[in-house]
Parts: sequence; C-alpha cells; structure tokens
Amino acid sequence: DQQVKQNSPSLSVQEGRISILNCDYTNSMFDYFLWYKKYPAEGPTFLISISSIKDKNEDGRFTVFLNKSAKHLSLHIVPSQPGDSAVYFCAASPIQGAQKLVFGQGTRLTINP
Amino acid sequence: GAVVSQHPSRVICKSGTSVKIECRSLDFQATTMFWYRQFPKQSLMLMATSNEGSKATYEQGVEKDKFLINHASLTLSTLTVTSAHPEDSSFYICSASKTGGINTDTQYFGPGTRLTVL
Repeated sequence: DQQVKQNSPSLSVQEGRISILNCDYTNSMFDYFLWYKKYPAEGPTFLISISSIKDKNEDGRFTVFLNKSAKHLSLHIVPSQPGDSAVYFCAASPIQGAQKLVFGQGTRLTINP
Repeated sequence: GAVVSQHPSRVICKSGTSVKIECRSLDFQATTMFWYRQFPKQSLMLMATSNEGSKATYEQGVEKDKFLINHASLTLSTLTVTSAHPEDSSFYICSASKTGGINTDTQYFGPGTRLTVL
C-alpha cells in the first residue's frame, strides 16, 4: 500500500518557467511533509518542509503548498534552472521529529535550456 | 556540513554469500542511523532504525536475521545482508541524524550502495 504517491515519474520544463511537482498521500495521520532532491550517485538532500498547521512554506525559489482536505502537496520551483534537474522525492512523517519517513516514488525533473 | 558516506558504492556477489555495507557520518556524531532500500522506480522504504549501542528496530516485514544491523559507534553503522539471494538485489541507502529525533529534517543521506546478487 503506497501511502505517499508521486504519480508523475518524470517532468520536463523549460528553463526560467515554473516547475510543479505533485504528491498525494492517503494516511491522515501524517503531520509533517518534506521534499528531498536527489542527484545520480548521491543521497537525497533536504529541500523544504511543511507542517500540517500551515498551507504554504517558501524558501527562495522553492515553495511547498499543502492541501490537507485533498491530502495533496506540491512543490513549486520558480524560475527553474538547469541545476534543478534531479529526482525529487516527497516524504511524510506522522509527527514532526518522529523521523520515520515514508517516501513517494520520486519524480525526475528535467530542465531544458 | 554533514556528510554521510557509504561503502561500497556498488557490489556484485554470488547467491548465498553475505555482504556488509558500511555507513559513516564523516563530520558529526550520529545518534540514530536509518537503513532504506529502493527498488527500481519505487520509493525508498525504511528497513530499520538503529541507535548507537542498542538493538535496531526493524520495520514490519523486514527479517532481522536476514539484515543484520550493527551501530557500534556514533559514526558507523553496518548492514549485513546474510545469505544473499537475487531478490535482495536493490539499492540500499543509509541516513544519519545528528540530534536523535528533534528535527525530522536533519536526516543526512549517504550516496547509496547498489547490490546485485547473481
């Protein structure tokens, strides 16, 4: 049972435009959500997170939106840059600090020059 | 920074042999380390959580006698896949936490180990 789902395995975006990566979850106990970025042959690196008491968190070019009623979150990257090309994973945790992360399958983002 | 290394990065072994994978936190002490596995086009699945000096906590469905975890020091955890079989072929990735649970986003991931069992 896939509790965290990223239904788009890949996404291609023009440089300078907005990239929108989506993630859906099924477990209503999830309270904290994170996005990780992964380059080939490297481990995932933390990008941005959001707790369920918020519906938006912004950090530079990255913004995460959370819609609890729809059990949906999205990551917006604007403007997209070639260095953003990577695999993006969303992850969820029952409570902040619980550390047990449930990951989605990942979305490969390619930024075209 | 917080760097986590894994060794080896890639290993090929024969069916029935055991393989040990090391996870090291290079510039910080890790009170907690995590082991994940990832099958192609699937998500990272948590296998077990280990705290230094104590027994690992395994996730449901993960055989503790098959996947031996040792967290003997604050900078090293090892995962041994015993009597490996082709179905154990996967990408194994570890992460380490500095604080032992205060902030979820302080999990630092290693680069992963690709295990292929022939």
